[in-house]
Amino acid sequence: DTGVSQDPRHKITKRGQNVTFRCDPISEHNRLYWYRQTLGQGPEFLTYFQNEAQLEKSRLLSDRFSAERPKGSFSTLEIQRTEQGDSAMYLCASSSTIVREINSPLHFGNGTRLTVT
Amino acid sequence: EDKVVQSPLSLVVHEGDTVTLNCSYEVTNFRSLLWYKQEKKAPTFLFMLTSSGIEKKSGRLSSILDKKELFSILNITATQTGDSAVYLCACIGRNMLTFGGGTRLMVKP
Repeated sequence: DTGVSQDPRHKITKRGQNVTFRCDPISEHNRLYWYRQTLGQGPEFLTYFQNEAQLEKSRLLSDRFSAERPKGSFSTLEIQRTEQGDSAMYLCASSSTIVREINSPLHFGNGTRLTVT
Repeated sequence: EDKVVQSPLSLVVHEGDTVTLNCSYEVTNFRSLLWYKQEKKAPTFLFMLTSSGIEKKSGRLSSILDKKELFSILNITATQTGDSAVYLCACIGRNMLTFGGGTRLMVKP
């Protein structure tokens, strides 16, 4: 399977704990995005990388959230001191910026569903 | 701030009906509008629209963009129960996709 993969699929944690999610994009894609989706809402943009550079962060991304893409391949999203309001589906997506695929659609992974109790 | 608004929020129809889903947007440096279908997991790509007035079709689904009035519609003809899903509209602005809240479609047998 050469699609976007995310791990874990589900995570249940207690309030105050730290969690880390991983995303492996499509291998030739140099852009990687993180979105958060709560029930009944569309995905909300959190941050994106072009190669290893984090180029934009949403105001939604509080200082408890950090994302990395150290070698320009896989990415991790860490949430520290989780709160119940962090419960959501965290979606990763990737795309390419090479000329023939400019404006190419984002390809999404199946997400990590976080439940904070 | 970029904004994408979809209507209706939800829709219940019977198999064989035709539905029209709406998406309006206010996006800085608009480049493209995309439609996605989301069942239980990842949104799956349906269409990308960049030019006004050119209809894109895929089977029973079709979509068109109006860049003057800043909206798009997604039509589904002869609906089937398998079309039941959330349909998401999203716009590429500066560098990311901004999504609308989605339209939840339920097709009853």
